[in-house]
Amino acid sequence: EDKVVQSPLSLVVHEGDTVTLNCSYEVTNFRSLLWYKQEKKAPTFLFMLTSSGIEKKSGRLSSILDKKELFSILNITATQTGDSAVYLCAVEDFGGNMLTFGGGTRLMVKP
Amino acid sequence: DAGVIQSPRHEVTEMGQEVTLRCKPISGHDYLFWYRQTMMRGLELLIYFNNNVPIDDSGMPEDRFSAKMPNASFSTLKIQPSEPRDSAVYFCASSLTDEQFFGPGTRLTVL
Repeated sequence: EDKVVQSPLSLVVHEGDTVTLNCSYEVTNFRSLLWYKQEKKAPTFLFMLTSSGIEKKSGRLSSILDKKELFSILNITATQTGDSAVYLCAVEDFGGNMLTFGGGTRLMVKP
Repeated sequence: DAGVIQSPRHEVTEMGQEVTLRCKPISGHDYLFWYRQTMMRGLELLIYFNNNVPIDDSGMPEDRFSAKMPNASFSTLKIQPSEPRDSAVYFCASSLTDEQFFGPGTRLTVL
């Protein structure tokens, strides 16, 4: 059974801080790892990672995957209050198009 | 495209009643997923379809839950009879490649 564990469970920072969110996984036939941001609505897609060591970047957000150690990190630099959300990590295996989600990290950015 | 459409957005019902949740995927997407999100268990995959055919329903909690996809543009998730522990947000998502697009969700409350 695929398993995804995220840490920390929650995080409170101040604007301007840099945060690192962690995602470790166990999956039989790994295909990809995805990061989502969830505010008060449905999750929205951030990144999809398939190869180790290649950083994906979008503005202040970046993510990297380590397929040997089975984890990924999501970095957010110069955090803003609008970054407050639950960040979800999910893995996809080659068994289908299914995603297994982690429990999420709840990030709160204070002014 | 309007994105994934779900209805109703909110549903409050009494224990024992039948509940039907509806989803219209993005046109052209050949995968459709039903998820349930609770505080305790996070985001869980219930069932998914490929080309209107159910592929994996191992996440469906029990026989009270059933899902159908009579055509490429419509799916239903039915709970009969509903119980208070079914209270959750139910998301529908669709995809063509790896990125799943989520609907706004249906918040179900069973009293």
